[in-house]
Amino acid sequence: GNSVTQMEGPVTLSEEAFLTINCTYTATGYPSLFWYVQYPGEGLQLLLKATKADDKGSNKGFEATYRKETTSFHLEKGSVQVSDSAVYFCALTTDSWGKLQFGAGTQVVVTP
Amino acid sequence: NAGVTQTPKFRVLKTGQSMTLLCAQDMNHEYMYWYRQDPGMGLRLIHYSVGEGTTAKGEVPDGYNVSRLKKQNFLLGLESAAPSQTSVYFCASSYGQGNTDTQYFGPGTRLTVL
Repeated sequence: GNSVTQMEGPVTLSEEAFLTINCTYTATGYPSLFWYVQYPGEGLQLLLKATKADDKGSNKGFEATYRKETTSFHLEKGSVQVSDSAVYFCALTTDSWGKLQFGAGTQVVVTP
Repeated sequence: NAGVTQTPKFRVLKTGQSMTLLCAQDMNHEYMYWYRQDPGMGLRLIHYSVGEGTTAKGEVPDGYNVSRLKKQNFLLGLESAAPSQTSVYFCASSYGQGNTDTQYFGPGTRLTVL
């Protein structure tokens, strides 16, 4: 079956630091890959996605590249802000119904 | 445009009680989903629907039932609540364009079963 593995948190950073959250996956077929973000007290919202190998998704200064050879989709941001404090979920889907398989989530805490 | 809304926001039940969680979306989405979120486990799919009048089981369907009588609403029922169903429940919806779709999530319902 499909699975997603994310680095454990919490990840604590100072403002303007570089952020990387590792995500690797196992999947049958050719998955689409997603990063969702959950701000405190809210539901999840899409941060970025990539639907085929070598695609780069980007949004709000975050980037992730679909690496088929390493089955990875690591999330990066060059300079984080306090407002980036949230839980980040890596997810994939392989079927036409769009059912998502999520990783466990990584909490990021950015301090001033 | 409210997006995806969930009712109620919080609920406390005793073991054996029943309840229904309501999800509503105003985006004319075809697909709707119910997930539960537990610490250290991410979100897991309970049931989903790919159109009005259709439902299907997800990864963890036991103890739950669903109905999609209207396109905009997706109801999740617990017939006899158990402490293991203490969780945060999220509803999501999407246009139904397959595996590249974005899912839009509601704010969640926090359920505690005593």
